[in-house]
Amino acid sequence: KAGVTQTPRYLIKTRGQQVTLSCSPISGHRSVSWYQQTPGQGLQFLFEYFSETQRNKGNFPGRFSGRQFSNSRSEMNVSTLELGDSALYLCASSKTRENTEAFFGQGTRLTVV
Amino acid sequence: DQQVKQNSPSLSVQEGRISILNCDYTNSMFDYFLWYKKYPAEGPTFLISISSIKDKNEDGRFTVFLNKSAKHLSLHIVPSQPGDSAVYFCAASARGGGADGLTFGKGTHLIIQP
Repeated sequence: KAGVTQTPRYLIKTRGQQVTLSCSPISGHRSVSWYQQTPGQGLQFLFEYFSETQRNKGNFPGRFSGRQFSNSRSEMNVSTLELGDSALYLCASSKTRENTEAFFGQGTRLTVV
Repeated sequence: DQQVKQNSPSLSVQEGRISILNCDYTNSMFDYFLWYKKYPAEGPTFLISISSIKDKNEDGRFTVFLNKSAKHLSLHIVPSQPGDSAVYFCAASARGGGADGLTFGKGTHLIIQP
């Protein structure tokens, strides 16, 4: 079966712009989480969505937001981009909310210039 | 404050020998642990997991050991193969509602030498 699909794979944006990233989870998976990976901080949890509701949020500013649709697909939005937002953004899906065996997509590499 | 620590940034092991990757955690609410393998420019790939009600889980060449009293887990790869060269992440979760997602260590770069 198809894995977690993230689009686009690569993105270059200018400071101050906003960006939307997309994630399609594995079929049948209802929980979608987003993570940011940077060389200095490693993998950090952004937020989790389940049944179209944000259930958990990590320690990131309000410029980072997301949503989940009825088909479990999720989008993540970052507004007023800063240079420090350059990172690999990873989406993970799992069947339930219990964070067991979350499967990751290949990520979106965002570069802010 | 790092709740999940992988103290070895890198580890070099000869092909065919055993690779042992270590992970320590501080949060006693964690009760489910996972190991992921990651190649550059790709997302992490799930390897193996263990619940806190167990102390060992085995899947082929991969075995994870959990020592709850020491808040320590380890991943054993036997025998090590060249394709095992990658960055390995330890992750922890407090299951049930209110979990803050997976908490990851910073990774250990495993290098398998021929």
